[in-house]
Amino acid sequence: QQQVKQSPQSLIVQKGGISIINCAYENTAFDYFPWYQQFPGKGPALLIAIRPDVSEKKEGRFTISFNKSAKQFSLHIMDSQPGDSATYFCAAMPDSGSARQLTFGSGTQLTVLP
Amino acid sequence: DAGITQSPRHKVTETGTPVTLRCHQTENHRYMYWYRQDPGHGLRLIHYSYGVKDTDKGEVSDGYSVSRSKTEDFLLTLESATSSQTSVYFCAISERQGMAAKNIQYFGAGTRLSVL
Repeated sequence: QQQVKQSPQSLIVQKGGISIINCAYENTAFDYFPWYQQFPGKGPALLIAIRPDVSEKKEGRFTISFNKSAKQFSLHIMDSQPGDSATYFCAAMPDSGSARQLTFGSGTQLTVLP
Repeated sequence: DAGITQSPRHKVTETGTPVTLRCHQTENHRYMYWYRQDPGHGLRLIHYSYGVKDTDKGEVSDGYSVSRSKTEDFLLTLESATSSQTSVYFCAISERQGMAAKNIQYFGAGTRLSVL
């Protein structure tokens, strides 16, 4: 059972365009929602994260939008650059439990064309 | 990669052989995790550790065991490797849980394992 559903699987955007990746979750106990960026041959690295007490968080060109009632959150990459080409994973963590494990989405491979 | 070393980086083995992957950290973080990454599945947690000799199962623990005898080392063992365990394995560490700022998991560079 996939608790975090991510779409699209792949995304191609022109340089300067906006990249949008969406995630939906089922577990209402989730209260921490990070996005990870992974380049080929490397491990994932935290890009940006949000908690459900805010609807939006922005860091540079990267913005998370969060809709608690719809149980959805999305990553927007403004002015996309070829260097943003990577695989992006959304994730979620519950507010309690033995280890507060991260549950990941299936990933989106982003290609930004020059 | 945040003071995390995974070894080996690549391994090819045969079905039925035992395999051990090592994760070594220099950050003195309490929590350590093993994930596998497969196309279409993202990262799935295999096992995790919340201290020396304290481990627990994750989502896909069948066929895997772990050990942590020192803070800095977390070993993942495939007792009898199968072709379904062909994957990229990532180790991650985190400092503590229960505080948002410390929820960050830092990942190693991964081990690519092929079971023939």
